[in-house]
Amino acid sequence: AQSVAQPEDQVNVAEGNPLTVKCTYSVSGNPYLFWYVQYPNRGLQFLLKYITGDNLVKGSYGFEAEFNKSQTSFHLKKPSALVSDSALYFCAVRLRGMDSNYQLIWGAGTKLIIKP
Amino acid sequence: EAGVTQFPSHSVIEKGQTVTLRCDPISGHDNLYWYRRVMGKEIKFLLHFVKESKQDESGMPNNRFLAERTGGTYSTLKVQPAELEDSGVYFCASSSQGVEAFFGQGTRLTVV
Repeated sequence: AQSVAQPEDQVNVAEGNPLTVKCTYSVSGNPYLFWYVQYPNRGLQFLLKYITGDNLVKGSYGFEAEFNKSQTSFHLKKPSALVSDSALYFCAVRLRGMDSNYQLIWGAGTKLIIKP
Repeated sequence: EAGVTQFPSHSVIEKGQTVTLRCDPISGHDNLYWYRRVMGKEIKFLLHFVKESKQDESGMPNNRFLAERTGGTYSTLKVQPAELEDSGVYFCASSSQGVEAFFGQGTRLTVV
């Protein structure tokens, strides 16, 4: 079965330290890869996506993600965490060739807590 | 530009009652999607509209769920009768021809 794994339910990081939120996937072909963030009482917000090209993708709020095809991973990173980065982060994949069908396969989410 | 909006933001109903969720997509977006996240689990696809037509409803859990998109604008998702396991957050998203979809804030449904 095709799936996305976020192995950590929660990640705790001190403010100013680098952060990594892990994501691996098991799908056929070469999917599109996404990260979304959900702040408290807010909807899902798009952070960044990988389509093709450079394996390091830069997104909103200083986040970036590195696509690693051999490890089928797409870890989310930020060099220096802010308290305001505390939120729920979701990794998702979309299978190529589905045109406008946006049937995403999602990870379970990782709660990121940044402590002052 | 207005984003995707969902109503209500929260709903608490008793088992056996009916609830209708509404989603207003971004104007001009032909594609509209419903997703659901049951507590602590991954977000699951429910169905996909292209304009007023159901393109894919393979994720709908059972026949207690009915989605409509009359006129190809806003969409409703009705749960009748609601069961305890229907509790969760229901997300709506819309997209045009691009890769990215835009999500609403979600409706938190609690069935007691």
